[in-house]
Amino acid sequence: AQKVTQAQTEISVVEKEDVTLDCVYETRDTTYYLFWYKQPPSGELVFLIRRNSFDEQNEISGRYSWNFQKSTSSFNFTITASQVVDSAVYFCALSEAGGTSYGKLTFGQGTILTVHP
Amino acid sequence: ETGVTQTPRHLVMGMTNKKSLKCEQHLGHNAMYWYKQSAKKPLELMFVYNFKEQTENNSVPSRFSPECPNSSHLFLHLHTLQPEDSALYLCASSLQLPTDTSTDTQYFGPGTRLTVL
Repeated sequence: AQKVTQAQTEISVVEKEDVTLDCVYETRDTTYYLFWYKQPPSGELVFLIRRNSFDEQNEISGRYSWNFQKSTSSFNFTITASQVVDSAVYFCALSEAGGTSYGKLTFGQGTILTVHP
Repeated sequence: ETGVTQTPRHLVMGMTNKKSLKCEQHLGHNAMYWYKQSAKKPLELMFVYNFKEQTENNSVPSRFSPECPNSSHLFLHLHTLQPEDSALYLCASSLQLPTDTSTDTQYFGPGTRLTVL
């Protein structure tokens, strides 16, 4: 069975600090997909990134970067120079490919990030 | 136009009421999902519909009854709910082409905050 663990329940930083959100996953499949979503106070989950298990290249998008390491089953998310608008709950999610797991997302517990001015 | 819309945004109902949640996607997607988000618990997948056909029922109690009349609309009919059913109910959609066995990105609506008295 697949599992996603976000060990950090809450993180509090001051604006302009860098912050890394950890995500560790478990799966028996060799093909799988990893996601990060942001949930601001409004409630809507905002898609941030999708990676497949064959693409270990790290990605940077503006102040956001992701570090995917299959050797440690981790898919960590770093926000550089954090801003107050980054305050939200961040979810890491995993989906296995094909079979009965097709399309199903397993979410971690989420990390509450608070950025203080 | 927001990609995935949900109505109502807030709903308060008694245990003997019957109500329905509505989700509409304007993205041309073929798959739609219902999730439940309770306090202190990870997001839980409830139902999946692909091309209007239900492909997943994650052991959801029968007091929740989904309906998918077409690929753009998804309903969740509620009756005889319990206070523990109070939660944020999120709808999502994904493209999910028939020949594609990968897992597409799911895009979420803003959710319906349900309170059962």
